[in-house]
Amino acid sequence: AQSVSQHNHHVILSEAASLELGCNYSYGGTVNLFWYVQYPGQHLQLLLKYFSGDPLVKGIKGFEAEFIKSKFSFNLRKPSVQWSDTAEYFCAVNAVNRDDKIIFGKGTRLHILP
Amino acid sequence: GAGVSQSPSNKVTEKGKDVELRCDPISGHTALYWYRQSLGQGLEFLIYFQGNSAPDKSGLPSDRFSAERTGGSVSTLTIQRTQQEDSAVYLCASSRPRDSIQVEFFGPGTRLTVL
Repeated sequence: AQSVSQHNHHVILSEAASLELGCNYSYGGTVNLFWYVQYPGQHLQLLLKYFSGDPLVKGIKGFEAEFIKSKFSFNLRKPSVQWSDTAEYFCAVNAVNRDDKIIFGKGTRLHILP
Repeated sequence: GAGVSQSPSNKVTEKGKDVELRCDPISGHTALYWYRQSLGQGLEFLIYFQGNSAPDKSGLPSDRFSAERTGGSVSTLTIQRTQQEDSAVYLCASSRPRDSIQVEFFGPGTRLTVL
């Protein structure tokens, strides 16, 4: 079965620092990939997604992620974080043509110091 | 409705009691998911319904957990003989039909506390 690993459980950065959150998945076939964000007290919401095409995906709020098939990775990046980016971030994968369920990683708590 | 709704928003129960959690998906969404969110555990997949297909129950942690979806719309998650370790936020999500690009829309969750 597919699985998702997020390497960083808790990240603390200062404002304007660059961010990269790691995500690796285990499935050798075609995948759809997602990053979700949960701001304090709010619902989970989609940040960005990859289905096909350009492996560099742009999302909301200046976030981007790069799908590297050879590394089974989909790391999330932002060049300059803001205090408002404090949230929990979840990577997710859906194995296409296998089953349709979406499996999530355990999440990374990001805390931005003002 | 505009989004996925769940009820109740909070449920406090005593150990050993049964609870039912409800999810109303977005109209037209044929896929419905239940997840459990616990501190330090991330989002744990529980069960997945897709149209009229048999549900994928592979994530249910024990036979005390069950879920049904009536008429392809509303779903209820039932936990029998609740235990303290069942305390968590239970999230429901729905997404569009199989042939479309699937993106999950999440409900606000039900916070279950078992005393």
